[in-house]
Amino acid sequence: AQSVAQPEDQVNVAEGNPLTVKCTYSVSGNPYLFWYVQYPNRGLQFLLKYITGDNLVKGSYGFEAEFNKSQTSFHLKKPSALVSDSALYFCAVRGNTGFQKLVFGTGTRLLVSP
Amino acid sequence: EAEVAQSPRYKITEKSQAVAFWCDPISGHATLYWYRQILGQGPELLVQFQDESVVDDSQLPKDRFSAERLKGVDSTLKIQPAELGDSAMYLCASSLLVAGAWLADNEQFFGPGTRLTVL
Repeated sequence: AQSVAQPEDQVNVAEGNPLTVKCTYSVSGNPYLFWYVQYPNRGLQFLLKYITGDNLVKGSYGFEAEFNKSQTSFHLKKPSALVSDSALYFCAVRGNTGFQKLVFGTGTRLLVSP
Repeated sequence: EAEVAQSPRYKITEKSQAVAFWCDPISGHATLYWYRQILGQGPELLVQFQDESVVDDSQLPKDRFSAERLKGVDSTLKIQPAELGDSAMYLCASSLLVAGAWLADNEQFFGPGTRLTVL
């Protein structure tokens, strides 16, 4: 069965600094990987996905993620953090063989200080 | 921009009562999902519909939970009777149907959720 690990409950970064939110996964077959963001009392918003091709994926709001097959990781990054990026971030994975549901990590809270 | 609609946004109920949540997916999205998100955790799939058919309900507690999507459009999730442990955010999501949908790489679009508190 597929699984996702987000090892950090919270990441703190100063505005203007680069940020990284970590994600590792386990899946049967090749992975489909997703990042979502959740603001307080809201549903999840899609940020970006990796399906195939270039290991560096660019998404919404200046976010990008790097797929590393050997390390089974899909870390979320942004070159310069904004206070408005403060939110809860979820990594999710689905395998590409047969029917596999989307499995989410436990989330990482990003706090960007002014 | 099209959005997934959910109602109510908040529901407070006493244990042993019945509750129902409604979801209207984005027009044209044949796949509909209900998730439960317990505070401090990621969403967990309860049930997935393809049109009006259930594709996966393996994590749905069928002794008290039921879900339907009679006309393949909007959907209702019911809990009867509610228990204290059911307190959570219930999220609905939808995605486009393509050939071999379970292999699809399409992202899911989420509604704002219904926050349930069981007293």
